[in-house]
Amino acid sequence: GAVVSQHPSWVICKSGTSVKIECRSLDFQATTMFWYRQFPKQSLMLMATSNEGSKATYEQGVEKDKFLINHASLTLSTLTVTSAHPEDSSFYICSATIPGQRYEQYFGPGTRLTVT
Amino acid sequence: AQKVTQAQTEISVVEKEDVTLDCVYETRDTTYYLFWYKQPPSGELVFLIRRNSFDEQNEISGRYSWNFQKSTSSFNFTITASQVVDSAVYFCALSEAAGNTPLVFGKGTRLSVIA
Repeated sequence: GAVVSQHPSWVICKSGTSVKIECRSLDFQATTMFWYRQFPKQSLMLMATSNEGSKATYEQGVEKDKFLINHASLTLSTLTVTSAHPEDSSFYICSATIPGQRYEQYFGPGTRLTVT
Repeated sequence: AQKVTQAQTEISVVEKEDVTLDCVYETRDTTYYLFWYKQPPSGELVFLIRRNSFDEQNEISGRYSWNFQKSTSSFNFTITASQVVDSAVYFCALSEAAGNTPLVFGKGTRLSVIA
């Protein structure tokens, strides 16, 4: 089956610093990737849709200048949390779709971000 | 707008009991997909099932079964003879059938199976 990886699996950073999270489709090309955020004991909420070669589409309430998304290739999308604050501490999960199987989404294992 | 409601926030059962997790959805689309995912403490989502809106057949996979009823917009999930390893958060989700669309998740139901 299709595999999506995320790196790092967890990260601790200091307030004010930036953190980059990678989402890779290992055995397929993904034209579209989605980034979700999950706060403790809450559901997954869509942050943005990332399309290869174009600007990401952000959901209402998500600051595009704070959460920079780059989908530079068909196998890699990155989410950079800039000037991180403790309230950005969360579980970030990406998913990818395969062209031709658009209803199927393959989720990465998630990245747990803790901002101190 | 699409919406998924999982009214049960937490459920606790004793091992070997059967348990049903409820899911009610709202959508204006005539074609859509419904999903169930399991999220163990590790956080990684485990795919359980996908059902399209035209397939109302119930499905059974081992101890798991799903009941899809369009008339009540429900897609309920039953675990038979629950086990401690079933303890996790379970999410029901919905997506449009147009493709390349994100999932809309319910708030999840935390299931605790006690030995």
